[in-house]
Amino acid sequence: EDKVVQSPLSLVVHEGDTVTLNCSYEVTNFRSLLWYKQEKKAPTFLFMLTSSGIEKKSGRLSSILDKKELFSILNITATQTGDSAIYLCAVAFTGGGNKLTFGTGTQLKVEL
Amino acid sequence: KAGVTQTPRYLIKTRGQQVTLSCSPISGHRSVSWYQQTPGQGLQFLFEYFSETQRNKGNFPGRFSGRQFSNSRSEMNVSTLELGDSALYLCASSLMNTGELFFGEGSRLTVL
Repeated sequence: EDKVVQSPLSLVVHEGDTVTLNCSYEVTNFRSLLWYKQEKKAPTFLFMLTSSGIEKKSGRLSSILDKKELFSILNITATQTGDSAIYLCAVAFTGGGNKLTFGTGTQLKVEL
Repeated sequence: KAGVTQTPRYLIKTRGQQVTLSCSPISGHRSVSWYQQTPGQGLQFLFEYFSETQRNKGNFPGRFSGRQFSNSRSEMNVSTLELGDSALYLCASSLMNTGELFFGEGSRLTVL
């Protein structure tokens, strides 16, 4: 059975801190790993990773994939209260179209 | 450009009833996926439609069904509702088969 596991389940940090969110996976027919941010209801796309060792970066967010060890990390530097959200990791499959298997998410709260 | 629109946003049903949820994708997007989100199980894939054909299906009972129309709008139907069907139902559209999904705000279903 395909499995995507995220850790920690939740964390609370202070503005300005750096956080690292983890995502490990055990799936067959892996094609890519994606990160989404869910603030209220609609998740929004952050990154798609297909190759090991190549960092994707957008502002204060960055992510990298390790296909040998089957995990990815999402880093957020200089956190702001607006970063408070659930961060979701998902895996897409070869031949699977847009079917994604999601992890249960990491709830991040950034306090002043 | 308008985003993904889901209707209704909230609804309350009783056990045994059926419900139909509607999704209008972003213009030009031919892939529409449906996900169920609950606190315990997270986001779970229901099905994906592309050009009016079901392309992928998740592990849900036959009470869950869907369809897509020629204008790419999609509907999902749940028959014989159970208490456990209470959830946020998210629709997502996509231009390509990359897993980069654009989600709607969801339809919050409560089954009493």
